[in-house]
Amino acid sequence: SQQGEEDPQALSIQEGENATMNCSYKTSINNLQWYRQNSGRGLVHLILIRSNEREKHSGRLRVTLDTSKKSSSLLITASRAADTASYFCASQGDTDKLIFGTGTRLQVFP
Amino acid sequence: DVKVTQSSRYLVKRTGEKVFLECVQDMDHENMFWYRQDPGLGLRLIYFSYDVKMKEKGDIPEGYSVSREKKERFSLILESASTNQTSMYLCASSFVYGSSYNEQFFGPGTRLTVL
Repeated sequence: SQQGEEDPQALSIQEGENATMNCSYKTSINNLQWYRQNSGRGLVHLILIRSNEREKHSGRLRVTLDTSKKSSSLLITASRAADTASYFCASQGDTDKLIFGTGTRLQVFP
Repeated sequence: DVKVTQSSRYLVKRTGEKVFLECVQDMDHENMFWYRQDPGLGLRLIYFSYDVKMKEKGDIPEGYSVSREKKERFSLILESASTNQTSMYLCASSFVYGSSYNEQFFGPGTRLTVL
C-alpha cells in the first residue's frame, strides 16, 4: 500500500497548548496537503505546501515539509476546543489523485 | 462556495441489495472521487472520474462500480451489498491536476450499514 502514515494516532492537549502532528509518505510528490475532519463529517482542506517549499503558515497553522525524509508536520498553535477533530495529510504526485494518511485524532480540552 | 452534496447521510441496506450513492458538485470540477473511510485505515480511493463517462479504478474497486453521465454527478454503485462494505463513503471533487488549486472538496459523507 502507498498509504501514508501519521503519528501520533491520537493526541490530547489543553486549550492554549500547541499540537504537532507528523506525516510520512512513500512516493515523490508535487505537493502535500492537510485536511481536517470534524466527527462524522466530510474533510475540509486546510493548507497545501508544494514540494519546493519548506515551510508555510496560515493563521495558527504552520506546516513544514522535508522531501529528503518524505515527511511533513502540522503545528497548530494556541489550540482551542474547536480544533478538536481528525487531521489527515494527503500527498499528491503528478496525477489528480491524493494518497491520504491514516489520520491523527486531536482532542483539545477546555 | 463550492458545494458537494451526497444523497444520504445514513443508509441501511440488506446483504445482496443493489445500492446507489449519489454525489453532486456545483463547481464545474472535472474530477470526482469516491472514497471509503474505515477506522485506522484513513481514506482509500475506490474510483475516480476525470471526465463525463470516464473512470479509473482506485485502490479498492472490487465490489463497486461507478457512473458519470453528467459532469456534476458521480454515482457509486454496490452491485450486491455485503457486510464488509459497511463503511463511511465520501465523495470529493477537484479541478484537474496542474490547475492553480489542487485541493479536493468533500461532501458530508454517507454512513452505510449493510445488515
